[in-house]
Parts: sequence; structure tokens; C-alpha cells
Amino acid sequence: GAGVSQSPRYKVAKRGQDVALRCDPISGHVSLFWYQQALGQGPEFLTYFQNEAQLDKSGLPSDRFFAERPEGSVSTLKIQRTQQEDSAVYLCASSSGHNYGYTFGSGTRLTVV
Amino acid sequence: GNSVTQMEGPVTLSEEAFLTINCTYTATGYPSLFWYVQYPGEGLQLLLKATKADDKGSNKGFEATYRKETTSFHLEKGSVQVSDSAVYFCVHASGGSYIPTFGRGTSLIVHP
Repeated sequence: GAGVSQSPRYKVAKRGQDVALRCDPISGHVSLFWYQQALGQGPEFLTYFQNEAQLDKSGLPSDRFFAERPEGSVSTLKIQRTQQEDSAVYLCASSSGHNYGYTFGSGTRLTVV
Repeated sequence: GNSVTQMEGPVTLSEEAFLTINCTYTATGYPSLFWYVQYPGEGLQLLLKATKADDKGSNKGFEATYRKETTSFHLEKGSVQVSDSAVYFCVHASGGSYIPTFGRGTSLIVHP
């Protein structure tokens, strides 16, 4: 597609519920990144894929967070047993190489109540 | 570790004023540097980039020069407009994976 598409745009979850956030990167982009952005802060790195391989997951805050990209295209970020501190905007970005920059999706705003 | 430090906001200016938003970074190797902008209610957009030392990135009247000797990438614009009001993020990407690292963002408010 023309841009990075994320769904849903908004998600309200009850504490303890599992959620799944989807990212459709730009077709052909090898690299895919997930970020968490709290209100008034810069995006914080969560995890990075090159094709289907998850090369870095050092930013995932706990083992409740899990990401996958099984066919090297669409990616899903799953959060199990959501907590209030998980409330944030989750951003996905894709890239064809660092010299070209990174294209971000509009994000998913997760609110845990 | 890698990090980005940018000046705290908000920066409040009158229309047609000169803008500087300072950014310094620490990184291993030879990072690529970017400025991203987030307009109210919108997603992150690439504003400009520079991928090697002494490169100047420019777009929409904004400029930034990659200064390796001072590890800086300050954003400048000669005459700001109300429509430039947004949050600006300095970003670097370095290391083997070139994972982007963001500064905390600087809010710019331009008054008519």
C-alpha cells in the first residue's frame, strides 16, 4: 500500500484482557519496528524485524508483550493480561533502508480501564 | 548507549521569527540523522534527513546540518508560520540494525 496501516485506531481494554494490534507495512519494506509512545513523550523502541526474523526485542517491557511477523509482511503486537500502565499509543514503522528514512503508521491508541 | 538530547519546550514564537531547536546525540559508528514532525492529531512525518557528516537536510524551509565534530543536528527555519506549530523529534539511527532512537520532542507554538 501507499503507507503503513495500523488497526485498530483505538482500543479500549479491560484490565487483564488480551489485545492484538496489527501493522501492515509498505509493500517490500524489509525492516519493521514497533514503538510505544506515552503522552507527551517520544516514541520508545519495543522490537525490530528484518523480514520474518525478530532481530531485537530488547525494548519489550515484560513477557506479557509478544510480537510476530510470520511471513515477513504483516506484523502483530500482542499484549497479554493488559495493565493500566500499558495505556499508550503503539506505533509501527517500516523502512527499505536507513538512508531512506522510516515511514510511520498513525498508531493504535490503547486505553486500559 | 545511544541517546538523543533535544531542547525542552514549549518553544513559543511569533510568526516570521527565526527558529532553532537544538539536538545532540551519542551514538556508535556513523549514524543517520532525522527530524520528524507530528502535527496536532496526526502521525509522525519525516521532515528531513542527513546520512553522513556535513550533509545538510532541508525541506519546507527547514534545515539541519550533520555536525560530526559536535555530534549535533540542530533544526533551523528562517521564518516560521502558524502552520509550523507541531512537535518536532530529533532521531538517530546507528549500529548494525539502524534502529531509530527518538529524542523526547520539542513542542513549537507559533502565534500570529
